[in-house]
Amino acid sequence: GESVGLHLPTLSVQEGDNSIINCAYSNSASDYFIWYKQESGKGPQFIIDIRSNMDKRQGQRVTVLLNKTVKHLSLQIAATQPGDSAVYFCAEITQAAGNKLTFGGGTRVLVKP
Amino acid sequence: DSGVTQTPKHLITATGQRVTLRCSPRSGDLSVYWYQQSLDQGLQFLIQYYNGEERAKGNILERFSAQQFPDLHSELNLSSLELGDSALYFCASSVSWQETQYFGPGTRLLVL
Repeated sequence: GESVGLHLPTLSVQEGDNSIINCAYSNSASDYFIWYKQESGKGPQFIIDIRSNMDKRQGQRVTVLLNKTVKHLSLQIAATQPGDSAVYFCAEITQAAGNKLTFGGGTRVLVKP
Repeated sequence: DSGVTQTPKHLITATGQRVTLRCSPRSGDLSVYWYQQSLDQGLQFLIQYYNGEERAKGNILERFSAQQFPDLHSELNLSSLELGDSALYFCASSVSWQETQYFGPGTRLLVL
């Protein structure tokens, strides 16, 4: 499994700036990708998802980009707010692998006022 | 609030003991998933149930077992507990396998 906790990469962002969080995945057969946000002491919260037949999807203040060629996923948060401070996980589902959700290691986002 | 409930919120027990964690999925969701989150292993998928049947298995130890009942709530049983089992245990639910999973608030287990 991936390592989290003390060794989480951290992204420091000024309030109002845009944030970009990156995620590399290894399984080219993955069908479905999800970004989750986890605040301290809480469960992961769904942000946005994208299926493997798409390369971009937009939500409210968030955009997910999928580059299957290099197996890379990114989450862009526009006009980052203090409430966006959390750990962000990308996750993938591969039907051939029994439909289990595999999480990446996570990135901690700290928003500076 | 995701609509997924988990009890208890916190659990403190001793090594060798057995505990049961409970999860109620969102209304209408047939799939339930269990995850373990520890500092050194991140979020690890344990097991999935769909409409009462086991569908997928992840890194679940033999000392752990789960079931999903006819009313769709699920229980995760952890036995012969070891110090290393201390972690956050999350339950998630979804309508079906490729739909978004919604997570509960978790149960924090501390084994002393």
